[in-house]
Amino acid sequence: DAGVIQSPRHEVTEMGQEVTLRCKPISGHNSLFWYRQTMMRGLELLIYFNNNVPIDDSGMPEDRFSAKMPNASFSTLKIQPSEPRDSAVYFCASRSGLAVAYEQYFGPGTRLTVT
Amino acid sequence: DAKTTQPNSMESNEEEPVHLPCNHSTISGTDYIHWYRQLPSQGPEYVIHGLTSNVNNRMASLAIAEDRKSSTLILHRATLRDAAVYYCILRKGGSEKLVFGKGTKLTVNP
Repeated sequence: DAGVIQSPRHEVTEMGQEVTLRCKPISGHNSLFWYRQTMMRGLELLIYFNNNVPIDDSGMPEDRFSAKMPNASFSTLKIQPSEPRDSAVYFCASRSGLAVAYEQYFGPGTRLTVT
Repeated sequence: DAKTTQPNSMESNEEEPVHLPCNHSTISGTDYIHWYRQLPSQGPEYVIHGLTSNVNNRMASLAIAEDRKSSTLILHRATLRDAAVYYCILRKGGSEKLVFGKGTKLTVNP
């Protein structure tokens, strides 16, 4: 299995531009998570989906952030408009739906720089 | 949510055992103890988890205190590839949320 796939791996954009981060979870996994990591705040959960339905978006910082999961094999995290404080590494993770499978598998991350 | 407390950093020598401590004095009866690690420039990676009993897998062992207020991740023979930040996390039973703290940065000396 290729693991969780994220694209792009690096993104540099100017303040005010729209940014879309993409994630392909591991095939057969039912849950998908978006995290953000910064030096100041560490690793934070932004939102997670179960069977393509958003379950908890309490970590989404503000209305500029939105996430979708149109099908079981694809999710996007969009920031519009982007701001310099959004600069971070964004990780996507997925988990199997099996009750005994508690591990989350993380992708390599997207490093976002907003200038 | 119950909190965990870990040392900011630890050092070990290659091929020696490493014991990474975690305090979670406010743990509730349904909280699972998870350990993840994050190697440099990579996403976090699952290491091990447990509820009440000690657990072993190919990567590590997890020793859980009888009162569950603390736990220890044991790497039996540290290698240079084990240098990473290790996170101890409490996950509520029935929930999928993981709340990462600052973790322990493990340095392995050759």
